[in-house]
Amino acid sequence: GESVGLHLPTLSVQEGDNSIINCAYSNSASDYFIWYKQESGKGPQFIIDIRSNMDKRQGQRVTVLLNKTVKHLSLQIAATQPGDSAVYFCAENIPGNQFYFGTGTSLTVIP
Amino acid sequence: DTAVSQTPKYLVTQMGNDKSIKCEQNLGHDTMYWYKQDSKKFLKIMFSYNNKELIINETVPNRFSPKSPDKAHLNLHINSLELGDSAVYFCASSHISASHNEQFFGPGTRLTVL
Repeated sequence: GESVGLHLPTLSVQEGDNSIINCAYSNSASDYFIWYKQESGKGPQFIIDIRSNMDKRQGQRVTVLLNKTVKHLSLQIAATQPGDSAVYFCAENIPGNQFYFGTGTSLTVIP
Repeated sequence: DTAVSQTPKYLVTQMGNDKSIKCEQNLGHDTMYWYKQDSKKFLKIMFSYNNKELIINETVPNRFSPKSPDKAHLNLHINSLELGDSAVYFCASSHISASHNEQFFGPGTRLTVL
């Protein structure tokens, strides 16, 4: 499969601070990207997505940035809360509907 | 009113046995998937079914066979279970013709092979 890597396997932040989770992808043909959140004992849950014709997309407290030049994706979480503690995955979609997931980053929010 | 459901949630079995995991989605999606998540949390796609046709089959041993009786169900049957099959298996579904084909995941089935 294709490689979707994360720069930081673990991340600890203070409650109220902003979090940034990074992701590198390798396939320049990927045209759609999703960030998922997986809480302990549960399945991954959609957070936000972005298509390759965009550089930035904002949701509620979350922003995804896409840099196609260096094949880099990031997820920014504003005012991180204890409920944000989870494993975060980026996934890239190659045309033909093949999704490949990264290894995940474990985010711990310190109260 | 669970969107994607899987049974059982936990499955403990002996090596060599045959087992099945069931998955159902009530979202009206046209594509369903099976993923395997190992102990390091790495998610790897195993299969996807679209309109009852297998459209992705990654390098998965033929001991694993997906079975889709209808568009709302995609079951995973595993023959001759091995120790390395121990993992969490997730079912997911999506509507690939939609502009945003996010996948909705089930709660997972933790398989332990002894």
